[in-house]
Amino acid sequence: EIVLTQSPGTLSLSPGERATLSCRASQSVSSNYLAWYQQKPGQAPRLLIYDASTRSVGIPDRFSGSASGTDFTLTISRLEPEDFAVYYCQQYGSSPMYTFGQGTKLEIK
Amino acid sequence: QLQESGPGLVKPSETLSLTCTVSGGSITSYYWSWIRQPPGEGLEWIGYISYSGSTNYNPSLKSRVTISVDTSKNQFSLRLSSVTAADTAVYYCARRDGSYYYHWGQGTLVTVSS
Repeated sequence: EIVLTQSPGTLSLSPGERATLSCRASQSVSSNYLAWYQQKPGQAPRLLIYDASTRSVGIPDRFSGSASGTDFTLTISRLEPEDFAVYYCQQYGSSPMYTFGQGTKLEIK
Repeated sequence: QLQESGPGLVKPSETLSLTCTVSGGSITSYYWSWIRQPPGEGLEWIGYISYSGSTNYNPSLKSRVTISVDTSKNQFSLRLSSVTAADTAVYYCARRDGSYYYHWGQGTLVTVSS
């Protein structure tokens, strides 16, 4: 089983700042099938990025994803107030077919 | 759109049963999943089913899980047997879009308690 470890657990930043969220896989992720989701309280997760770096429909270009080996990064270039939420990474391909990281909470400083 | 329905309270050792109704499109041609989230915790993939009925389950739950599909009703269902308090969670249905999930239901909280 591929384990995804997200860091930091909590990130405290101010609007306008740059956020860098990390997701490290315990082994290679098939074809960089790594997605990022944003979840706000009481809501279902919202797909932001798939295939490590492709933005989903309607996602602002301040969100970007990158990959280097087993390390994946979600970057939010300039934080807007609505960006403060919990972020999850998710891999596809290794049994179990889908696994999620434990999440990073992005909170207002 | 996807909408979960089913009992919000299940007794320990009993079977949890949920249904997801797909509207605005046909259930055929896609794969459909269940994903859960215990209160205050992360997401756990339960499994998926194709419109033709082929399934793939999380090995950690495989012995207790059954996902089925009813194409005539545009619905798919989850059954989880022998539940314990550890199965208390928000259960989401979602449409599998290859390597990721774009379409999600709003989620339904199921509490396991006597």
